[in-house]
Parts: sequence; structure tokens; C-alpha cells
Amino acid sequence: GENVEQHPSTLSVQEGDSAVIKCTYSDSASNYFPWYKQELGKRPQLIIDIRSNVGEKKDQRIAVTLNKTAKHFSLHITETQPEDSAVYFCAATTGNQFYFGTGTSLTVIP
Amino acid sequence: DTEVTQTPKHLVMGMTNKKSLKCEQHMGHRAMYWYKQKAKKPPELMFVYSYEKLSINESVPSRFSPECPNSSLLNLHLHALQPEDSALYLCASSLEGGSYTEAFFGQGTRLTVV
Repeated sequence: GENVEQHPSTLSVQEGDSAVIKCTYSDSASNYFPWYKQELGKRPQLIIDIRSNVGEKKDQRIAVTLNKTAKHFSLHITETQPEDSAVYFCAATTGNQFYFGTGTSLTVIP
Repeated sequence: DTEVTQTPKHLVMGMTNKKSLKCEQHMGHRAMYWYKQKAKKPPELMFVYSYEKLSINESVPSRFSPECPNSSLLNLHLHALQPEDSALYLCASSLEGGSYTEAFFGQGTRLTVV
């Protein structure tokens, strides 16, 4: 099955700085890569996703890049704000199930 | 309506009890999932239903029994649970399987087994 690794496990940045979270996957058949944000006690919510036929996608302060050859994808958050503090999960899908990374706890320091 | 609704939000049950978790979506999604999430860990897949048929069972103990009465509803029946089964149980749905389609999560049921 698919194996998704995520780094770092914790990340602290100053407000206004950028944050980068990286994931690698093992199954070349994976074709969809969503990123979820989970605030304490709340549900995971999709913040951005990318399909395997696209190399980069941006939505305001959030961007995701995908390198299919190297089997890795990254989340970039620019101009971080305190409300970006949460746990972020990457995921990969090969079909009917989502494989999640181990999560990154992001803290944005005001 | 982009909501996945789970009930109850919180549940405390004894090890001899029988209880059920419920999940409902009205987005026309044909794939529904049960995940278990421990604190500070990623969601861990338990079951996948595709077109109301169980398509994936991730070697989950038989004390967890899923049921999909129709395309909008998903239940998880619980019986003789252990304290280590205490966790957040998340239901999710997606349009059709995992390919290219976002999974929408419910708020979860916080289960405590005493």
C-alpha cells in the first residue's frame, strides 16, 4: 500500500514569515494530493489540493507543489498569521482511500 | 449543503454496552468512510463504502461493525469495546472514491470507553 511521510512534525514561525511542510509518497499510482488543516477539537478541512497532472497550484497565501518524479509534494504558506496555527496533514490517494501523513503541528508566534 | 453530520458528538460507554455512531451526508457522494483518530495522530482508515457496498475493511476488529443503509447514511455499531478504542471517530464522504475528489469530514464523535 501507499506510505506517506511528512516533515517536520512541529514547526514554529514568526508571524509574517513563510512555512513549508514536505511530504513524500511511495506509490507512483497516487494521483491526487490534498492538504488538510485540523484545528484543535475540530474536523480536518481541505485547504488546497493538487492533481498528478499539475506541478503547482496557488490559492492566495497557500501554494502546493508536486514533483512526480521524486514523489514528493510540499505545502507553502506565506505571510503566516496566528490563525494559521493548527495541525496540517498531507494525503495521497490511489483510488478509493486516502493515506495520510503523520501531521505537522504549526505554531505562528505573534 | 456541503456538510457531513455525525451524531452523537460525544459518547461515553462501558465495555459491555452496545452503541451506534451515525453519519449523514446529502451531497450525493457515493463513497463514505470511517476513520479513527487518536490525539496528535493522523486519521486512520477503518472502512470504506463505495456505492453502498463495503469495499475496504482495514482489518478492523469485529467489535466494530459498519452499516450503510442507503447512499446518505453510514453507521458504525459498537459492541464490547476496550478502553484503547477511546478516540475521535470521523466519518467522511467523497464524490466517488479517492481519485481527484475531496473528502469532506464530519465533526467526529469523541468516544470514551470506560
